[in-house]
Amino acid sequence: GESVGLHLPTLSVQEGDNSIINCAYSNSASDYFIWYKQESGKGPQFIIDIRSNMDKRQGQRVTVLLNKTVKHLSLQIAATQPGDSAVYFCAERRDNFNKFYFGSGTKLNVKP
Amino acid sequence: DVKVTQSSRYLVKRTGEKVFLECVQDMDHENMFWYRQDPGLGLRLIYFSYDVKMKEKGDIPEGYSVSREKKERFSLILESASTNQTSMYLCATSPRGGELFFGEGSRLTVL
Repeated sequence: GESVGLHLPTLSVQEGDNSIINCAYSNSASDYFIWYKQESGKGPQFIIDIRSNMDKRQGQRVTVLLNKTVKHLSLQIAATQPGDSAVYFCAERRDNFNKFYFGSGTKLNVKP
Repeated sequence: DVKVTQSSRYLVKRTGEKVFLECVQDMDHENMFWYRQDPGLGLRLIYFSYDVKMKEKGDIPEGYSVSREKKERFSLILESASTNQTSMYLCATSPRGGELFFGEGSRLTVL
């Protein structure tokens, strides 16, 4: 029969507002973290990354914050636009083979 | 731009059939990966390869095998498809130590 998947956490924001998407990671030895954006029917796309020797990194309209003490990662999107509507995944790298482990994702809904 | 091409976007197969999913990359990356994606479960690693003819199991390798005969091509094989293998399959590549680049995905339905 059909399996029932878990519901994705959803964040709804108004166009123009700032969005904050959070992620808890599990391995204190993880050294590299990436945020991916996945639009419907497409593969995940790289947004921004951060290495464990940093606690903040900024891109165009996006900022990633890393708190290693509590194993927490966040993605901030400034002036959110309808085109930002997607599912966002955080990924952590735990070993030297470049294997990444992904969170379950957060769906961002931007209301015009 | 990195191009990761998955040969089939949509497939429908019957239980017990052998299924091949092909992935080709054009950036000379050493590492290639196969993930499956299910609603609410994120991406789970099936197999990966860090060099030609090398393969390593990921977290959910049961029911799957892989082949990497050439650097640019990484194939995922379902020897005998089952309904619980209905999923979205994502291929990814990376240079050593770099981020993953994903293909568009192959949605497989097993009846």
